[in-house]
Amino acid sequence: SQQGEEDPQALSIQEGENATMNCSYKTSINNLQWYRQNSGRGLVHLILIRSNEREKHSGRLRVTLDTSKKSSSLLITASRAADTASYFCATDAGSGGGADGLTFGKGTHLIIQP
Amino acid sequence: NAGVTQTPKFQVLKTGQSMTLQCAQDMNHNSMYWYRQDPGMGLRLIYYSASEGTTDKGEVPNGYNVSRLNKREFSLRLESAAPSQTSVYFCASSEANPSRGGGYEQYFGPGTRLTVT
Repeated sequence: SQQGEEDPQALSIQEGENATMNCSYKTSINNLQWYRQNSGRGLVHLILIRSNEREKHSGRLRVTLDTSKKSSSLLITASRAADTASYFCATDAGSGGGADGLTFGKGTHLIIQP
Repeated sequence: NAGVTQTPKFQVLKTGQSMTLQCAQDMNHNSMYWYRQDPGMGLRLIYYSASEGTTDKGEVPNGYNVSRLNKREFSLRLESAAPSQTSVYFCASSEANPSRGGGYEQYFGPGTRLTVT
């Protein structure tokens, strides 16, 4: 079953605006990761936040994690046309140090209008 | 470095046919994974291999078998393909190791688009 659920399912904004997408999950986790998938391609890792962290930044990306609400958000600032893609959250909730795989949500499809 | 490579890129099978999807990584990673992605869905784990010589079932293993041939290669076999196995298949690898703490990203191949008619 899907562990994470992204919200919204689709998001369309103007270039230069900020994009925020949310992820909720069901069980306790070790870490939560965000991935990007361009159309027809494999997934690319964006950022990882551990369960004892509340916020993390990487370039134009900001991720927050609220373990009490079992939710995370991904903020992309100053969006660009090249940010058009699907974004997935994935949780590591196993006991295998991540070797036993991740559980992915259904994704948010982000469209940046030029 | 090529990263994670998958062959073939596309495949069409008839119901009942068999095939093997190949995956290789050149990053010396311990762990490898097979996922499937259906339209409008996230990825679902089929099988994983936490180390050379070990394999374990994921969320949706029925109808599939895997082989961790060596540290580099992890293959996925469909013995008798069914239309429900029409999907895009992704292989991934990671430094993750059961004897260490977590916190490792996964690296994905470009995918194999499989259609079963």
